[in-house]
Amino acid sequence: KNQVEQSPQSLIILEGKNCTLQCNYTVSPFSNLRWYKQDTGRGPVSLTIMTFSENTKSNGRYTATLDADTKQSSLHITASQLSDSASYICVVRGGAAGNKLTFGGGTRVLVKP
Amino acid sequence: DTGVSQNPRHKITKRGQNVTFRCDPISEHNRLYWYRQTLGQGPEFLTYFQNEAQLEKSRLLSDRFSAERPKGSFSTLEIQRTEQGDSAMYLCASSSPRGFDGYTFGSGTRLTVV
Repeated sequence: KNQVEQSPQSLIILEGKNCTLQCNYTVSPFSNLRWYKQDTGRGPVSLTIMTFSENTKSNGRYTATLDADTKQSSLHITASQLSDSASYICVVRGGAAGNKLTFGGGTRVLVKP
Repeated sequence: DTGVSQNPRHKITKRGQNVTFRCDPISEHNRLYWYRQTLGQGPEFLTYFQNEAQLEKSRLLSDRFSAERPKGSFSTLEIQRTEQGDSAMYLCASSSPRGFDGYTFGSGTRLTVV
């Protein structure tokens, strides 16, 4: 069964600190993986998209990594800001039909001053 | 084009009433998706259109739910005889034929059934 597991479920960090979110998946075959940021009451907004051949991709203070061998991805937030408080969702495209999206349950990040 | 637009943003309804939500996708996107998201969970797939054809429906889409995309542009999602368990955020997304590469979500419609 295709699954995407995210950890931790929630995280509290102090403003200015770094943090790393994890995403483990069993989706096979793998097409690509995307990290979304979802503010409370809003729709998800794409941060990065990673294909099989990409190991690292950055978008400002957000850096995503992908290890397709171990089927793991991480999202690193550098120098966190209050506006980083949100849910971060990992979504993997793939599976037997090739186009299925499998969503993780998200990690809720709270940045405190 | 300002992205995927959903209306209304919020809807409060009494149990048993019917509600309808609208989604306007990015104009050049031929694929449109509906998701449901409950608090603290990731989005759950409901249904998918390619142009006006509804190609896939989740088992989550009970008989009380119906979605249409009559002209292959905007879509509506109707819930009949709402139940308290229908309270959730309903998200719409659209994509080009490139699929996930151009996948964009709307801001969602928050439904509260009282």
